[in-house]
Amino acid sequence: QSVVTQPPSASGTPGQRVTISCSGSSSNIESNYVSWYQQLPGTAPKLLIYRNNQRPSGVPDRFSGSKPGTSASLAISGLRSEDEANYYCAAWDDSLSGWVFGGGTKLTVL
Amino acid sequence: QLQLQESGPGLVKSSETLSLTCTVSGGSISSSRDYWGWIRQPPGKGLEWIGSMYYSGTTYYNPSLKSRVTISVDTAKNQISLKVTSVTAADTALYYCARGIRGRYSGYELDYWGQGIQVTVSS
Repeated sequence: QSVVTQPPSASGTPGQRVTISCSGSSSNIESNYVSWYQQLPGTAPKLLIYRNNQRPSGVPDRFSGSKPGTSASLAISGLRSEDEANYYCAAWDDSLSGWVFGGGTKLTVL
Repeated sequence: QLQLQESGPGLVKSSETLSLTCTVSGGSISSSRDYWGWIRQPPGKGLEWIGSMYYSGTTYYNPSLKSRVTISVDTAKNQISLKVTSVTAADTALYYCARGIRGRYSGYELDYWGQGIQVTVSS
């Protein structure tokens, strides 16, 4: 059971906007940067969003991150079939002195 | 472009020691801004941070695994190693090495990952 919570699943139709939430505690999500990772079937996780809302080079601007307060969100606009993947949030945990991951959200494009 | 490649046996017997190596190319593991570590993913499950090491030798381990895990670096070979002792079926997983960006007071993101290596613990 993860200390960081994500919904296990999310879905949308092509072109729609979907959001995935990520909540934790004062020792991780609330006090440290949040990053998001996309894991396509059979591949390694790939950094999608870093430091709450920054996109690495090559990541489309359809992907955006925010951390308005005590939780974080990943938004995907203009949903495409190739976005079907598992998405994980993560943050450094001050108690652990290491990273904690959310349980992951499986995104289905209907 | 930084590349990480995990290697090691894909099958380990129960109660024995799992040993993996991650070879880094395209950059040095002696950078002061980086953590180097391991993450695993049991079949059909999510990601679990195992531990990380700073090049100076400081290590951080997940408390759930701390008593059985050792992470070390070989700067001459630009490699990071992982050892997990007394393995059981619960240690069967895909093991990834990854680079973590080190901030002033905490880690930031895990920006480069290896492709992963499947390790199965057999009885």
